[in-house]
This record gives sequence, C-alpha cells and structure tokens, in this order.
Amino acid sequence: DGGITQSPKYLFRKEGQNVTLSCEQNLNHDAMYWYRQDPGQGLRLIYYSQIVNDFQKGDIAEGYSVSREKKESFPLTVTSAQKNPTAFYLCASGRLAGGLYEQYFGPGTRLTVT
Amino acid sequence: QKEVEQDPGPLSVPEGAIVSLNCTYSNSAFQYFMWYRQYSRKGPELLMYTYSSGNKEDGRFTAQVDKSSKYISLFIRDSQPSDSATYLCAMSGSRGSQGNLIFGKGTKLSVKP
Repeated sequence: DGGITQSPKYLFRKEGQNVTLSCEQNLNHDAMYWYRQDPGQGLRLIYYSQIVNDFQKGDIAEGYSVSREKKESFPLTVTSAQKNPTAFYLCASGRLAGGLYEQYFGPGTRLTVT
Repeated sequence: QKEVEQDPGPLSVPEGAIVSLNCTYSNSAFQYFMWYRQYSRKGPELLMYTYSSGNKEDGRFTAQVDKSSKYISLFIRDSQPSDSATYLCAMSGSRGSQGNLIFGKGTKLSVKP
C-alpha cells in the first residue's frame, strides 16, 4: 500500500516543549516538504528537501527544524521557539514529472499546544 | 498585492450545477497551475495541473489558464455532493524549478442534494 503516512493524527503538548512530527513515504519520491495550514491562511512552506542529507528553509522556517537522513523519512521538530505552534501540519512528497514537481500530501497532523 | 488570490467562499450550489472556481495571480513567471481538493481534516489531493495557457479536461473537471489575464479556473460539471470540499489552486515557477508551490487560500464548496 503506497503512500505518505503522518503520525500521530492529533498531538497535544504543553508550551515550552519540543515536539517531533513524523512523515514517511514509500513512493520513492526524491523531494519532501512540510507545510503549515492555518484557518484563512492557506498552506505555507516550512522546509523542503530534494535529496538525502540536504534541505532548505521555506517561507516560515523560524522555530522549526528538520532532518533528512533517509529518502523515506522527513521528520519535523516544532521547537519551543515557535511562537504560534498550534496548526495543521502537512507533509508532502514530490516527483519530477514533465518539469514539474507533482506534490502528494499525507493526511496531516493536528498539533495543539496549550 | 498577494501573489495568489482566491475567493474563500463559501460557495453553495445544488446538485447537478456547473461550478466555477477561480484564482488570480500577479507573478508572470508562473508556468504550472494546479488544483487540489481537500476534504475536511484531510490532506489535499492533486486533481489536475496545466502547463502554461490552455485547457485540460479530466472527466467532469476542466482546468483553464489565461496567462494574459493572470487568471485560472476550475470547472466542475454535473456537481455531486461528494464534490463538497475546499479547492486550492497552486502555482509554480519555471520548468525545472525547485518545485515550491504558492497556494491560494482555498474556496470552500458545498453541493446540496
């Protein structure tokens, strides 16, 4: 069963704690992405990676960190430095097709920090 | 001016209606134009995409791009209650780019039986 898995579906944390969101894909895609979705704001890119052991900041990287040690995995850590961490987090993987990176999304993790 | 503008709706139509969803954009470097469908509390699903100007049809869905007006549309024919979702447009730069997408905020569609 191919696809992108994100776990857990819901996550609750206390303010001041770091938390790591998991993202795994078995589609053999080279690229992986993390987005954040807030009501009324659309999707915003946090980090992306096109090859193992390399990643770039997106538009809103402050307070987040990532690693890409394996092609299949791209975990996101939400640190205590992130001022408004409560959001819906979406991971995507991408394959180059006809000059375009087609991006396919996982089911998302809803993080609530209180 | 935001790079991609999309009317958030909500848009409510009766079953069987033709639905028109639209986005405008300001960056003339955009070459790829995508439409995603997102059901509540789920990840977005890629519906279709077009390169440069023109039309593309897939079943009940037609995507249209007018680069001269910087305007893209998604038409849904014979709309069904199962089409009720939020529709996101997304755009990307030149061929072989890093693949970063710029998303609209999404239009929430409700199709009433």
